[in-house]
Amino acid sequence: GAGVSQSPSNKVTEKGKDVELRCDPISGHTALYWYRQRLGQGLEFLIYFQGNSAPDKSGLPSDRFSAERTGESVSTLTIQRTQQEDSAVYLCASAVADNQPQHFGDGTRLSIL
Amino acid sequence: QKEVEQDPGPLSVPEGAIVSLNCTYSNSAFQYFMWYRQYSRKGPELLMYTYSSGNKEDGRFTAQVDKSSKYISLFIRDSQPSDSATYLCAMIPSGSARQLTFGSGTQLTVLP
Repeated sequence: GAGVSQSPSNKVTEKGKDVELRCDPISGHTALYWYRQRLGQGLEFLIYFQGNSAPDKSGLPSDRFSAERTGESVSTLTIQRTQQEDSAVYLCASAVADNQPQHFGDGTRLSIL
Repeated sequence: QKEVEQDPGPLSVPEGAIVSLNCTYSNSAFQYFMWYRQYSRKGPELLMYTYSSGNKEDGRFTAQVDKSSKYISLFIRDSQPSDSATYLCAMIPSGSARQLTFGSGTQLTVLP
């Protein structure tokens, strides 16, 4: 597709369950980012991948959060033992290079019951 | 204090008005500046990208950056109801950190 694709678009799960969110970046984009957006707030950086370099994990809020990326393609964000405060929209963005404009998907709306 | 401050609004204007949206920042390392528009239940959509002080125009939109004052603005001319959305400013510093730092967003409503 032409844009960043995220799945699922919505996810409802029980507290304590693990969830996996997927991001397909724009083809050819080497940089990939995950952000979290809580209701009524700005976006909060989580993790950044650039090519084959080690990811920048400085924004991950706890060790329950992890992410992987296969080469310059799909990325998955995993949240283990979900808590209610994890409820948010998780947004993925990709860019041609790391100082170029980032293009966002429509996010995954995660609700923890 | 947040690194990027943005008035959350809400801001309501009549159709055809000129809209001014602003952000201030405290980190002088910020070198790249962006404005995004976000409709309800959608991801942010890039409107403007600039990396130098001064003005950049694209259609009805003008982005202005004043690095000496650490102040950026987005102007929307001839505003339309379809411009009703949340507008987010975002910045990237020079150096190794490449994630965007966002303002909290300004909610704009253009009344027909």
